[in-house]
Amino acid sequence: DQQVKQNSPSLSVQEGRISILNCDYTNSMFDYFLWYKKYPAEGPTFLISISSIKDKNEDGRFTVFLNKSAKHLSLHIVPSQPGDSAVYFCAARNSGYALNFGKGTSLLVTP
Amino acid sequence: DTEVTQTPKHLVMGMTNKKSLKCEQHMGHRAMYWYKQKAKKPPELMFVYSYEKLSINESVPSRFSPECPNSSLLNLHLHALQPEDSALYLCASSQRESDAEAFFGQGTRLTVV
Repeated sequence: DQQVKQNSPSLSVQEGRISILNCDYTNSMFDYFLWYKKYPAEGPTFLISISSIKDKNEDGRFTVFLNKSAKHLSLHIVPSQPGDSAVYFCAARNSGYALNFGKGTSLLVTP
Repeated sequence: DTEVTQTPKHLVMGMTNKKSLKCEQHMGHRAMYWYKQKAKKPPELMFVYSYEKLSINESVPSRFSPECPNSSLLNLHLHALQPEDSALYLCASSQRESDAEAFFGQGTRLTVV
């Protein structure tokens, strides 16, 4: 049973505009959320995270928002760049330490 | 050095073969992980080692045998695999098992024929 869901398999955005990647989860015990970026033939690279006690975390062009009541988080990339084109995985952790991953959203940033 | 290095990058093996996947990190991390990722699926946790001891085994078949010889190395021994075991095998590490921020290697693309 998928506890972390990324309902958009793909997203296409023009360079310079905002990319918004969404993630929903079902387990209210998750206490930490992460976004990973993955290029073809490479392992996932940690991008940004947020603790369940916060609702926003910002790092340069990347901002993650957490809405605990809706069990929803989103990753905003502003401005989007062609090098951001990759698969983005949302992941969540509960006290059992294992990371639960979503299926990923493939982002394409076009010039 | 913020890298997790996995070897080999690609591996083709027969169902009767014995092979090993290797993973190395020199970040002083004390937790190391094996994940399996099939095409168009999220990574799935297989094993967790914490301070060189097996901490989590996610009901993985015994044809997969992990080994942690020291704090920097993690191996995955493979024997009598099935074609459906073909996947990308990812190694990851974190400071401690309780840290959610894990660093991943590039993975080994395994094909079982």
